[in-house]
Amino acid sequence: NAGVTQTPKFQVLKTGQSMTLQCAQDMNHNSMYWYRQDPGMGLRLIYYSASEGTTDKGEVPNGYNVSRLNKREFSLRLESAAPSQTSVYFCASSSDRLGYEQYFGPGTRLTVT
Amino acid sequence: GEDVEQSLFLSVREGDSSVINCTYTDSSSTYLYWYKQEPGAGLQLLTYIFSNMDMKQDQRLTVLLNKKDKHLSLRIADTQTGDSAIYFCAESLSGYSTLTFGKGTMLLVSP
Repeated sequence: NAGVTQTPKFQVLKTGQSMTLQCAQDMNHNSMYWYRQDPGMGLRLIYYSASEGTTDKGEVPNGYNVSRLNKREFSLRLESAAPSQTSVYFCASSSDRLGYEQYFGPGTRLTVT
Repeated sequence: GEDVEQSLFLSVREGDSSVINCTYTDSSSTYLYWYKQEPGAGLQLLTYIFSNMDMKQDQRLTVLLNKKDKHLSLRIADTQTGDSAIYFCAESLSGYSTLTFGKGTMLLVSP
C-alpha cells in the first residue's frame, strides 16, 4: 500500500517549457487535490477533483490544467512554465470518512529558470 | 469567508511542553485537524477533533477546542527534537470536499 505517489521528485524547466506532474493513489479515495507550497504562503489549492470525471478550480488555478484520468490518477500540467511557478507541488487524496481528511504525497520540487 | 490563522514560529527546549495555537472563523466547521510536515516531506495527519468535542488526547498529543472563541490548540507533552517540524491547522466544512489550511507554525526543539 504505497499511499499517494508523485513523479518526478525534482524538475528544472526553462521559461515557456511545458510539463506534467503525475499523481496516483491506491486508497480508493474519491477526492484528489493539487497544492503548491511557497515560503510564507502556506499551502494553496490549485485544483481539486471531488470524484472521477469532475475537476474544480481552487485558489490559484491560473497557468495550470488538470486531468482526472481515472479514480487513481490526477495529473497537473503546466503548459508554459513561468518563474512564478517555481514551488513545491503536493498531491493529496481524501475519503469522506472524517470530513475529508487528506493524505499527501512526498511532493515535487519544481524550479523554472 | 474562511480563514485559519496560526503563529509562525515556536521555540522550546527538549522535555518541555509545546502549545501551538490556531484560530478559525467559520462556525460551521465539522472537523479540525493537525498536520505535521517534516523537512523535505509531505504533510502527515497527526490528529483530528470533531467539532462537538472539547478535548482529545492521543499519547503525547492533546487537542483542545473552544468553539465559542473558535480556538484550537495542540499540546505536545515532553517535546523531543524529532518533533521539530511545521505544524498545520486545518478545518473542513459541512458539504465541502476541501480543507482550509493555516500557514503553518514552525516548531524548533533545542536540546
